[in-house]
Amino acid sequence: GENVEQHPSTLSVQEGDSAVIKCTYSDSASNYFPWYKQELGKRPQLIIDIRSNVGEKKDQRIAVTLNKTAKHFSLHITETQPEDSAVYFCAAVPYSGGYQKVTFGTGTKLQVIP
Amino acid sequence: DAGITQSPRYKITETGRQVTLMCHQTWSHSYMFWYRQDLGHGLRLIYYSAAADITDKGEVPDGYVVSRSKTENFPLTLESATRSQTSVYFCASSLQLRNEQFFGPGTRLTVL
Repeated sequence: GENVEQHPSTLSVQEGDSAVIKCTYSDSASNYFPWYKQELGKRPQLIIDIRSNVGEKKDQRIAVTLNKTAKHFSLHITETQPEDSAVYFCAAVPYSGGYQKVTFGTGTKLQVIP
Repeated sequence: DAGITQSPRYKITETGRQVTLMCHQTWSHSYMFWYRQDLGHGLRLIYYSAAADITDKGEVPDGYVVSRSKTENFPLTLESATRSQTSVYFCASSLQLRNEQFFGPGTRLTVL
């Protein structure tokens, strides 16, 4: 099956700085990579996703990049704000094969210091 | 989000008891999922369902049973609860496997 590793597990940045979270995956059949944000005591919610036919996707201050050759994808948050403080999860989903399941990373706790 | 609900929201039970967690979605999504969330482990898939009457194991299925007789419901049963099953359980649904998952509010389960 798929294995997703996420780093770092915790990240502290000053307000206004950028934050980068990286995930690596093992299954070359994975072709859908979503990112979820979970605020304290809340449910996870999708913030951005990317499919393997695209190398980069942006949505305002958030961007995701994908390197299929190296099997890694990253979340970039620019001009961080206190409301960006949360736990972020990456995930990988295969296109085909027997293992048709979503595999999540273990999460990154981001703290934005005002 | 009112579209996917879980009940109960909190549950305390004892070792050896049977517990059923309910999940209901109103979007007619094909896929439904059960995850458990523990510190240091992120979200781990217990079971998922691609459609009514189609279910499959995830990463940590032992000790759990699911069924899906109707598209909108996906109950999770702990047949004989153990302390190691103390966790927060999230149900989720999506239109297709490679689409956004919408999570329920979660059920915090404590097994004494």
